[in-house]
Amino acid sequence: DTEVTQTPKHLVMGMTNKKSLKCEQHMGHRAMYWYKQKAKKPPELMFVYSYEKLSINESVPSRFSPECPNSSLLNLHLHALQPEDSALYLCASSLSGRTVKNIQYFGAGTRLSVL
Amino acid sequence: AQRVTQPEKLLSVFKGAPVELKCNYSYSGSPELFWYVQYSRQRLQLLLRHISRESIKGFTADLNKGETSFHLKKPFAQEEDSAMYYCALTSKETSGSRLTFGEGTQLTVNP
Repeated sequence: DTEVTQTPKHLVMGMTNKKSLKCEQHMGHRAMYWYKQKAKKPPELMFVYSYEKLSINESVPSRFSPECPNSSLLNLHLHALQPEDSALYLCASSLSGRTVKNIQYFGAGTRLSVL
Repeated sequence: AQRVTQPEKLLSVFKGAPVELKCNYSYSGSPELFWYVQYSRQRLQLLLRHISRESIKGFTADLNKGETSFHLKKPFAQEEDSAMYYCALTSKETSGSRLTFGEGTQLTVNP
């Protein structure tokens, strides 16, 4: 399995809802990433997990809560989001978060709409 | 701070013409440069990285440290090359974790 799988593909939620995005990889990668991508814009890094530990948090609001239960799985818990949080959320993984030689492999993303 | 600049948001060429997508970077440490591509309705994927010095789908890119550039070139563009191209940078100083993207260039190859 050489893919990063994200579920769901689409999500619509109200501002009071709680939902979660899921990301899975079975490539033995030990670094996983969450990005946010607005239309016609590049991905913006949100969080990095390296060996199941949070190593980078790009000052993301607390209404986004990441979780890495094991080396293959990455979740993003969402609570009390704002309409401006509507975007494509991308997950990526790489062999390690400790070398520049890493290639990041991206999932297809979850398209989130906050009403 | 890491910064990547792609001066052209849109680039349009005819099939068979040469194409060059520009990328300049700003970083004082040891950068690692990549080109990622996003075809319509497909996921973001790696096209090239400078340490590999390889040609993928006819594209090449050379890191010019003097000019801090990593331009992407192809001598004869094909219609299937139409896509969004992102130049990206990471560094030894962040252990390769932080990937900074440029704003992207939307390439259209006309028949």
